[in-house]
Amino acid sequence: AQSVTQLDSHVSVSEGTPVLLRCNYSSSYSPSLFWYVQHPNKGLQLLLKYTSAATLVKGINGFEAEFKKSETSFHLTKPSAHMSDAAEYFCVVSDWTGANNLFFGTGTRLTVIP
Amino acid sequence: EPEVTQTPSHQVTQMGQEVILRCVPISNHLYFYWYRQILGQKVEFLVSFYNNEISEKSEIFDDQFSVERPDGSNFTLKIRSTKLEDSAMYFCASSVEGADQPQHFGDGTRLSIL
Repeated sequence: AQSVTQLDSHVSVSEGTPVLLRCNYSSSYSPSLFWYVQHPNKGLQLLLKYTSAATLVKGINGFEAEFKKSETSFHLTKPSAHMSDAAEYFCVVSDWTGANNLFFGTGTRLTVIP
Repeated sequence: EPEVTQTPSHQVTQMGQEVILRCVPISNHLYFYWYRQILGQKVEFLVSFYNNEISEKSEIFDDQFSVERPDGSNFTLKIRSTKLEDSAMYFCASSVEGADQPQHFGDGTRLSIL
């Protein structure tokens, strides 16, 4: 069965400092992994995806994530936080049954302090 | 950029009534999904739909729920005899196809059962 664990429910950083949002996955197969962001009262926007190509994945808005099979991790990083990055971030794993159902983590709320 | 659109943005319904949530997926997408997010909880998969039939459904998706693609563009979720615990944000998503294809989400419908 597929699942993801987001290790921090809330992360707070100062503007201009690095962001690290942690995610560990569990999957019976080589997983497809995603990070989505949800701004208040908005839908879920895809940040980036990993699908067994390069282990370092670059996404939108300066975010990137590294797939580490040995650690079963897919942590999201950004070198310098911006105020507009404040949102809820979800680590997501895809079900390989063919229907592509997604399994979400519990989310990490990122607060950016001016 | 094409978007998934959902209507209404907010639906208030009396307990026991039927409600229909509407979604217009991205036009060239083949897979369609509904997810639910109860306040303060993780996003949960409800159902996936492909080729005019349900591909997979979760335990949440019982006989109270049904989905339909009535006219080739809309994708609807019907909840019969709503219960208080059905109050949640409901997200529609669509993808081109395949387990490594990202899903594109709508902004959601907030369903409040009174």
